[in-house]
Amino acid sequence: GQNIDQPTEMTATEGAIVQINCTYQTSGFNGLFWYQQHAGEAPTFLSYNVLDGLEEKGRFSSFLSRSKGYSYLLLKELQMKDSASYLCAVMDSNYQLIWGAGTKLIIKP
Amino acid sequence: GAVVSQHPSRVICKSGTSVKIECRSLDFQATTMFWYRQFPKKSLMLMATSNEGSKATYEQGVEKDKFLINHASLTLSTLTVTSAHPEDSSFYICSVAGGMDTEAFFGQGTRLTVV
Repeated sequence: GQNIDQPTEMTATEGAIVQINCTYQTSGFNGLFWYQQHAGEAPTFLSYNVLDGLEEKGRFSSFLSRSKGYSYLLLKELQMKDSASYLCAVMDSNYQLIWGAGTKLIIKP
Repeated sequence: GAVVSQHPSRVICKSGTSVKIECRSLDFQATTMFWYRQFPKKSLMLMATSNEGSKATYEQGVEKDKFLINHASLTLSTLTVTSAHPEDSSFYICSVAGGMDTEAFFGQGTRLTVV
């Protein structure tokens, strides 16, 4: 079956760095996405990786290793507004998105 | 990227009534739209794929007679929750497929509460 795993909850301190991991097992791979979702709102797009390596976009970076079925989202210089759920999603061979359950990130002052 | 507008953002209805949720792609012709449901603290769950001009494709376990989907044009898909029950209370989100290797664009979501 298809499976995406990410931690349920993480806590970090304002100004620090946090890494949210995602491992996946899917039928085919056409890219991995990270989304941010604040409570009661729709997800917003953060990053897309289809090739191995690190993609940096401001305070957020995303890494992919296809051979390991692994990705992480790295958030630097954490701000209180970064408190949200972070969703990992993989596009499978049918170009459908398979979603992880999300990681709730709590930022403390 | 595509701009997707979903309406209403919040709705409260009585048990037994029907509720229609609209999803509009404002600047992108969407032959395919997706409808998701999200329970509190749970992942997004794909309910159905809405195809312009044809019947929607429902995921296993989703009642097509209860969740009616109409995709009559390239810019509008609607989801109607018929004979709503309290257990239908949830967050419903639509998205537009941006392409085979690009991100999906999401509507703002609709918080449905059935009382």
